[in-house]
Amino acid sequence: GAVVSQHPSWVICKSGTSVKIECRSLDFQATTMFWYRQFPKQSLMLMATSNEGSKATYEQGVEKDKFLINHASLTLSTLTVTSAHPEDSSFYICSARSGRAGWAKNIQYFGAGTRLSVL
Amino acid sequence: GESVGLHLPTLSVQEGDNSIINCAYSNSASDYFIWYKQESGKGPQFIIDIRSNMDKRQGQRVTVLLNKTVKHLSLQIAATQPGDSAVYFCAENSRSGTSYGKLTFGQGTILTVHP
Repeated sequence: GAVVSQHPSWVICKSGTSVKIECRSLDFQATTMFWYRQFPKQSLMLMATSNEGSKATYEQGVEKDKFLINHASLTLSTLTVTSAHPEDSSFYICSARSGRAGWAKNIQYFGAGTRLSVL
Repeated sequence: GESVGLHLPTLSVQEGDNSIINCAYSNSASDYFIWYKQESGKGPQFIIDIRSNMDKRQGQRVTVLLNKTVKHLSLQIAATQPGDSAVYFCAENSRSGTSYGKLTFGQGTILTVHP
């Protein structure tokens, strides 16, 4: 259980275009999902917390107009990188809390990640 | 905590040896800790967790130790196998301030297992 699917796994786009990344919880409902960014050989940096039915909460330094997050249902959150530029090239990973009871509700299950390359 | 721009620590072991991966955390308000394994080009995979009111927890071939006095966490892998080669991250769950309910990841350790 607790499977998170992320799509696409790899995308190449031209500078100035927008890219949408989907994150789905396949076998559980996730009221909260998270979006991370990871540079090569570095740790995960939280970008934003995605809440179902409300606005996302962005971490300091993350442009909300650049990285649009929508969490329209309990199983789907999307991240749109608007007007992408080469500096936006990175590995983007989503996660979802399992929704289980007790301490296990804090476990985040991750998607496989999306490698974005902006030319 | 996070370290941006630094090279990840590395640990090289022979197949069959035991591995110990360490992690220091800084937030005394963290009450829950998780170890994740990340293989190249993939998302992190949950390994084991531990609550702050515990000092040891065992899983299959893995043991997590928590020392709250010195804010130190370790992951022990018994009889390490080549398939264990990956980057290992510790993560802490905070119950205070702006980090409430979020996971903060450590810098990670690259484990390489030689056949």
